Amino acid sequence: NAGVTQTPKFQVLKTGQSMTLQCAQDMNHNSMYWYRQDPGMGLRLIYYSASEGTTDKGEVPNGYNVSRLNKREFSLRLESAAPSQTSVYFCATGAETQYFGPGTRLLVL
Amino acid sequence: LAKTTQPISMDSYEGQEVNITCSHNNIATNDYITWYQQFPSQGPRFIIQGYKTKVTNEVASLFIPADRKSSTLSLPRVSLSDTAVYYCLVGEAGGYNKLIFGAGTRLAVHP
Repeated sequence: NAGVTQTPKFQVLKTGQSMTLQCAQDMNHNSMYWYRQDPGMGLRLIYYSASEGTTDKGEVPNGYNVSRLNKREFSLRLESAAPSQTSVYFCATGAETQYFGPGTRLLVL
Repeated sequence: LAKTTQPISMDSYEGQEVNITCSHNNIATNDYITWYQQFPSQGPRFIIQGYKTKVTNEVASLFIPADRKSSTLSLPRVSLSDTAVYYCLVGEAGGYNKLIFGAGTRLAVHP
C-alpha cells in the first residue's frame, strides 16, 4: 500500500519545454488534487478532480492542464514551461482529510 | 472557505508543551478544523482533525472553544523531531475540499 506516489521526483526543464507530472493513489479516493509550493510559502491549489471524469480549476491554474485518467491517476501537464513555474508540486487525495505525495521538484531554466 | 490566521513562528525546547493557536473567525457551521505537519522536502502530513470541543490522538490534542472561532493545537513534550511547519486549515465536511493553505507556523524545537 504505497498511498500516493509521484513521478518524477526531480526535473530540470528549459523554458518552453513541456512535461507531465504523474500521480497515482491506491487509497480508493474519489478526489485528487495538484498543489504547488514556492519557497517559504504554503501550498496553493492548481487543479482538482472531485471524481473520475471531472476536473476543475483551483487558485493558480494558468499554464497548467490536468487529466484524470482513471480513479487512481491524475496527471498535471505543463505545455510550455516558464521560470515562474519553478516550484515543488504535490499531489494529494482524499476528502475531509487529504493525503499528500512526496512531491516533484521542478526547476525551469 | 474560512481564512485562518496563525503565528508565523514559534520556538520551544525539548520536553516542553507547545500550543499553537489558529484564528478562523468566519468558520461556517459545516466546517471542520484540520492540522497538518510538514517537514522540509516532504508533503504535508495529517496530524489531527476536529469539529468542536476536544480531540486527542497519539501525537496531539486539538482544543476548540464553543464559538469555534479559534482552535489550539497542543503538542505534549516536544522533541527535536517536532521541528516543522504546522498548518491550520478549515474545510467543509463531505466530498472534495479546496483547501487554502496559509504560510503556517514554523516551530523550532531547541535542545
